[in-house]
Amino acid sequence: AQTVTQSQPEMSVQEAETVTLSCTYDTSESNYYLFWYKQPPSRQMILVIRQEAYKQQNATENRFSVNFQKAAKSFSLKISDSQLGDTAMYFCAFMKPSGGEFYFGTGTSLTVIP
Amino acid sequence: DSGVTQTPKHLITATGQRVTLRCSPRSGDLSVYWYQQSLDQGLQFLIQYYNGEERAKGNILERFSAQQFPDLHSELNLSSLELGDSALYFCASSVEGGTQETQYFGPGTRLLVL
Repeated sequence: AQTVTQSQPEMSVQEAETVTLSCTYDTSESNYYLFWYKQPPSRQMILVIRQEAYKQQNATENRFSVNFQKAAKSFSLKISDSQLGDTAMYFCAFMKPSGGEFYFGTGTSLTVIP
Repeated sequence: DSGVTQTPKHLITATGQRVTLRCSPRSGDLSVYWYQQSLDQGLQFLIQYYNGEERAKGNILERFSAQQFPDLHSELNLSSLELGDSALYFCASSVEGGTQETQYFGPGTRLLVL
């Protein structure tokens, strides 16, 4: 079975600073996909970034980047130059290669402080 | 805006009743997913359809059923509702339901069972 663990239920960061959200997962698969989704107060799920496990290069999307450590089964999200609009719940998610469903972590609530 | 639409936005009903949630995927997407987000259980995958056929099943109760119609919209039917079914129900879509694809989430339907 796949499990995704986010060990930081809540975090805060000063505006313009950098913050890193942690995620670890457990799987016996060799190929898979990892995602970070953001859920603002509106409750909509918004894709932040994705990573294919067979790619060694860490994914980046503007101010968002990941540190993917396959051997350690770790997938952390770094947010640079934090903005007030980054305040949200962040979910780490795992997708098996054989099926389209996600396995989600329990989320990290991030607050950006002005 | 992800391009995925869900109706209704909010639904209040009583225990024992039956409701239908509707989802229209992004234009061109053939696969639809349903998720339940409750306060104590986080995000749980329920079921996936691809081009009208069921492709994957998650933690979906027997009281719940879904289908995808020829026009690719999907409905999630919840019957014999219980207080614990109160949750936010998300629909997501992707092009072909493959693991290399990103799922785009709708805004969700908030169900309250009284």
